[in-house]
Amino acid sequence: GQNIDQPTEMTATEGAIVQINCTYQTSGFNGLFWYQQHAGEAPTFLSYNVLDGLEEKGRFSSFLSRSKGYSYLLLKELQMKDSASYLCAVRDGNYQLIWGAGTKLIIKP
Amino acid sequence: ETGVTQTPRHLVMGMTNKKSLKCEQHLGHNAMYWYKQSAKKPLELMFVYNFKEQTENNSVPSRFSPECPNSSHLFLHLHTLQPEDSALYLCASSQELGEGNEQFFGPGTRLTVL
Repeated sequence: GQNIDQPTEMTATEGAIVQINCTYQTSGFNGLFWYQQHAGEAPTFLSYNVLDGLEEKGRFSSFLSRSKGYSYLLLKELQMKDSASYLCAVRDGNYQLIWGAGTKLIIKP
Repeated sequence: ETGVTQTPRHLVMGMTNKKSLKCEQHLGHNAMYWYKQSAKKPLELMFVYNFKEQTENNSVPSRFSPECPNSSHLFLHLHTLQPEDSALYLCASSQELGEGNEQFFGPGTRLTVL
């Protein structure tokens, strides 16, 4: 079967750095997405990786290793507004999006 | 605002009721999706429409019936639901199906079935 694994919950301190990992096992691979979802709101797109390496976008970076079936989302200079769930999703060989259950990130002052 | 709107935002219904969820996208996208989101579970894809044609039905029970009259509007008709159908129902759209096309989500309808 296909699955996406990410930690259920993480806690970090305001101003610090946190890395949220995502490992996947899918039939084929056509890209990996990270989304942010605040409680009671819509998921919003953060990043897309299809080639190995690091993509940087301001305070957020996303890394992909296709050979290891692994990605991480790196958040720097954490702010209280970064408290949210972070969803990892992989597009498989049939171009279906397979979603992880999300990582709830709690930021403490 | 993502350019995708959903109504109603909250819905409480009995098991014998019939109701409809509405989704509208103002982005000029060609693909639209219905998802079910339950607590601590991955998003479950229910239906996919591409240029108004249904391309995906992920073994969804017939008590959920989608309708896509045009590329901008998507409905989910509900009848004789079960309490386990209580969840957040999210609508999304993307420019096209396939690689690299990020999905834009609406705020969802929080559904409670009594």
